[in-house]
Formats: sequence, C-alpha cells, structure tokens
Amino acid sequence: GAVVSQHPSRVICKSGTSVKIECRSLDFQATTMFWYRQFPKQSLMLMATSNEGSKATYEQGVEKDKFLINHASLTLSTLTVTSAHPEDSSFYICSAILAAGYNEQFFGPGTRLTVL
Amino acid sequence: GDSVTQMEGPVTLSEEAFLTINCTYTATGYPSLFWYVQYPGEGLQLLLKATKADDKGSNKGFEATYRKETTSFHLEKGSVQVSDSAVYFCALSDSGGGADGLTFGKGTHLIIQP
Repeated sequence: GAVVSQHPSRVICKSGTSVKIECRSLDFQATTMFWYRQFPKQSLMLMATSNEGSKATYEQGVEKDKFLINHASLTLSTLTVTSAHPEDSSFYICSAILAAGYNEQFFGPGTRLTVL
Repeated sequence: GDSVTQMEGPVTLSEEAFLTINCTYTATGYPSLFWYVQYPGEGLQLLLKATKADDKGSNKGFEATYRKETTSFHLEKGSVQVSDSAVYFCALSDSGGGADGLTFGKGTHLIIQP
C-alpha cells in the first residue's frame, strides 16, 4: 500500500515550451503532497507544499509563476514547468502523506526533465 | 537554516562487512530524523526514523541512534548483503516529517560486492 506514481518518468522538451508532470497517490487519498528537485550529486530540495483545494506554498527562491502546482483532487497533484529553459533540467520528485499529522511521506519514482 | 551532511560515496563494501554511514545535522529546536533508501528505478522509501534524543530507529538490520550532543544520526548495519546496494539519504524535519517538507543530505551510494 501507499504507492505514489509519477508520469512521465522521462521527458525531453525544447526550450520555451511547457511541461506537465503528474503525481498520483494510487491507493490512498493524500491531503498533502510535496514537490522536490534534485540536481546531480545533490540533495533533494523542497520546492513547494501542495494541499488539496488550496494554493501551493512555495519555498523561498522558487518562482511560483515558473513552477505551477495544481492539487485538484486528493489523488493528483501536477507540476507544470512553464517556458522551460536548459537550467530547469533536473530530476523532479513528489511525495505524499496519508493525512494531517501522519508523519511518513511516500515518494514517487521521480521524473527526469531535459530541456534542450 | 536546517541542513544535513552525510558522507559522500560511493561506499563499496564486501558482503557481510560492517556498515557505517555518517550523518550530522544542523537545526533549530528538536527535529525528527530519518533515513530513506532508494533502490534503482524506485522512489525513496522510509528505512527508519527517530523523533527524540537517544531514540534508536531500526529496520531490516539497520540501526541509527539520535545523538543530540553530537547532532548525529549515523546509520549502521552489522552484516550487509548485496541486496542492500542502494542510495541512502539522511533527512530531518522540524515538524515530525508529516506536515512540512524534509531537509535531505546529498545521499550516499552504497555498493555491496559478493
């Protein structure tokens, strides 16, 4: 149980285009989802916290107009990288928690974004 | 701000060897501490956790003790197996790991040779 999926697993796009990444909780309802970014040989950096039905909370230094997050249902959160540039190339990982106060995050397998 | 420092890899050991992966942290207050493991092609999985000083987390033969005096949470296993080969992440949370995001170390790639 507590499986989180991400789609796509890999995506290559041209500079200037937008890319949407989906994060789904497959067998549970997730009140909160998180989006992380991982650079090569670096740690995962929290980008934003997404609560179902409300606006995402972004970490300092993360451009909310660049990284659009939508958490429209209890099983789906999406991250859209708008007007992507090569410096946005990275590994994007989402996680979800079962319910408020539950202290374990379940992680998706990640999405590798390459912007040409 | 919070930070986590862990030994860089790769760490290569022979099967049945003793494993230690060092992890130290900087945080305000009293964070909860975690070790996550990432097997090839899979998402991060919680390996063990400790929520207060002197707590010992354990799972699958792995152990880590929350040492407030040294701000450390070193991961140990007495006898590693080839199946333990993975990337291990040390992490902390100010909120217990649920409501807020986690602060991660860079990860340590562990390779166990038969």
